Amino acid sequence: ETGVTQTPRHLVMGMTNKKSLKCEQHLGHNAMYWYKQSAKKPLELMFVYNFKEQTENNSVPSRFSPECPNSSHLFLHLHTLQPEDSALYLCASSRRQVTSGEQYFGPGTRLTVT
Amino acid sequence: RKEVEQDPGPFNVPEGATVAFNCTYSNSASQSFFWYRQDCRKEPKLLMSVYSSGNEDGRFTAQLNRASQYISLLIRDSKLSDSATYLCVVHYGQNFVFGPGTRLSVLP
Repeated sequence: ETGVTQTPRHLVMGMTNKKSLKCEQHLGHNAMYWYKQSAKKPLELMFVYNFKEQTENNSVPSRFSPECPNSSHLFLHLHTLQPEDSALYLCASSRRQVTSGEQYFGPGTRLTVT
Repeated sequence: RKEVEQDPGPFNVPEGATVAFNCTYSNSASQSFFWYRQDCRKEPKLLMSVYSSGNEDGRFTAQLNRASQYISLLIRDSKLSDSATYLCVVHYGQNFVFGPGTRLSVLP
C-alpha cells in the first residue's frame, strides 16, 4: 500500500487543454515534490514544497504551475503543453528533515499530449 | 559531465550470482546518498541509504567513497525478484538528483 496517491493515473490532453494533476499523502510528511520521468531519461526534480512553501523550481516552464494548499495536497496545473511534455509525472513526499532522504513516491500520472 | 552517472547496463545474471553497481557524482557538496529500485512501470522505492562507513542490509551492501565521489551497491545471492532498475540518488540542499539507473535482470 502506498501512502501517496495520485490522480488521474492516465491523462491524454490536447495542446490547448488545461488540466490538473493531484497528489495526496497520508504519511504526515511536510515536504512534497513533483518529478518528471521521460523515456530513457533520469527522473527530473521539478518542484519542491516544504511546509507549503515552494523552495525549489528547477527551471520548469511556466506552462507547469504547482499549487500546495496544505502539507497533504499538491497539484500540478497544466496548460498549453507540448508533445515533448508527455511523460510520467511522479509525486513524492518526505519529512522536513531530509537527511534520511526517504522519499515516498506515488504511482504517477502517465501524461500524453497530442 | 552529468551530475550522477551509473553503469549503463543492462546486467543479465543467473540466480545466485553476485552483482555490483557503480555510481559517480559530480557535486562535492552532496550530503546524502541512496539507492532506490524501480520496477517496470512502477514508482521508485527506497532500497537503502548509503553511509560513509558502508552499510549492509541482508544481501545488499552499499559503499560510499566521498574522496572519489563514488557509490556502489553489491547484491549477493541474487533472486528473480531482484530484477528491476537500480537508481543512484544524491541529495544536496533541497535537491535530489537521480542517476539514469542500471537495469538488472536475474535469470532462472
